[in-house]
Amino acid sequence: DGGITQSPKYLFRKEGQNVTLSCEQNLNHDAMYWYRQDPGQGLRLIYYSQIVNDFQKGDIAEGYSVSREKKESCPLTVTSAQKNPTAFYLCASRRDSLTEKLFFGSGTQLSVL
Amino acid sequence: GNSVTQMEGPVTLSEEAFLTINCTYTATGYPSLFWYVQYPGEGLQLLLKATKADDKGSNKGFEATYRKETTSFHLEKGSVQVSDSAVYFCALGNAGGTSYGKLTFGQGTILTVHP
Repeated sequence: DGGITQSPKYLFRKEGQNVTLSCEQNLNHDAMYWYRQDPGQGLRLIYYSQIVNDFQKGDIAEGYSVSREKKESCPLTVTSAQKNPTAFYLCASRRDSLTEKLFFGSGTQLSVL
Repeated sequence: GNSVTQMEGPVTLSEEAFLTINCTYTATGYPSLFWYVQYPGEGLQLLLKATKADDKGSNKGFEATYRKETTSFHLEKGSVQVSDSAVYFCALGNAGGTSYGKLTFGQGTILTVHP
């Protein structure tokens, strides 16, 4: 089945540690996105990538980084500079520039130890 | 900038009750409007959308009409089921028709339906 796979489902970070969240899609979609979801708040865009080896900052990019070396993969790194990383992280993809529908993964819950 | 305001939750209903979740927006131009649904433990799924004024989006018994005069996109369903229990998000795509996937989301409304 085609879809978006995020791993791990739960992740714990120690103080000062960088962690990487995985996102893989087999939909052959051009664009990929990372959103952060906090309780009682809507989703906020962290980074997005329209094509391989290209990515743009979203509204809350500070303390995060992404890479897009392959079309099907866009991992997100939460660095030690992100002082409030506890949140639910959602990866999404979009087929191409002619469509607006986003397909979402099932998310990763990141918590700080 | 763009913003989306949703009705405060949580909303608790009995099965077969009528559902309305209010959504209003602020944007320049003519954005596309969406409702996404998030079932427990899952990512978001597109429920319905409307791309221009007076358009009605519909899916699975849910409906929403793009009202430019009141800048609203309220979600309705005539008879809810227990399986409709989820979090509902109203979202807006940038005006000009090409949002590049950069949606602006409301804060979400939790819906719980009891048998």
